[in-house]
Amino acid sequence: AQSVTQLGSHVSVSEGALVLLRCNYSSSVPPYLFWYVQYPNQGLQLLLKYTSAATLVKGINGFEAEFKKSETSFHLTKPSAHMSDAAEYFCAVSKQRTRQLTFGSGTQLTVLP
Amino acid sequence: DAGVIQSPRHEVTEMGQEVTLRCKPISGHNSLFWYRQTMMRGLELLIYFNNNVPIDDSGMPEDRFSAKMPNASFSTLKIQPSEPRDSAVYFCASSLVSGEYEQYFGPGTRLTVT
Repeated sequence: AQSVTQLGSHVSVSEGALVLLRCNYSSSVPPYLFWYVQYPNQGLQLLLKYTSAATLVKGINGFEAEFKKSETSFHLTKPSAHMSDAAEYFCAVSKQRTRQLTFGSGTQLTVLP
Repeated sequence: DAGVIQSPRHEVTEMGQEVTLRCKPISGHNSLFWYRQTMMRGLELLIYFNNNVPIDDSGMPEDRFSAKMPNASFSTLKIQPSEPRDSAVYFCASSLVSGEYEQYFGPGTRLTVT
């Protein structure tokens, strides 16, 4: 069965600093990988996805993630944090032949002025 | 385009009462998912449907929970009888069976059982 581990339940960065949110996955078959963002009292919004095309994936709001098979990682980055990036971020994995997503436990990002 | 629509947005009920949560998926989407989110357990998949047919309900916690999808544009999640431990945010999400597996989430229903 596939699984996802997000390292760090809380991450704080200063405005303008690099954002790095870590995600490692476990899957017996090539996975599809996703990052979602959840703002307070809202549903989850898709940031970006990896579906076995380019390993460097660009998403909305300046975020990107790189799929590294050798490290079983799919870390999320953004060069310069903005106050509006403060939210909870979820990494998710799906097997290629099912519709189910398995979500990580989430990382709460705080952006300090 | 309208996204996934859920109603009600907030529900407060007393223990033992029946609760019905409603979801309208994005038009044209043919997979629908119900999730529950709590601080303790995070996001849990309860059940999902493909083309209105339940595919996997192994996440439904107890027989008190039931879900239906009578047509492509409507689904319900029912809890009967409700208990305080059912308090959570319930999300509905939809996707295309032929798509790249991304799911689109509704705004959620915050359920409080007193």
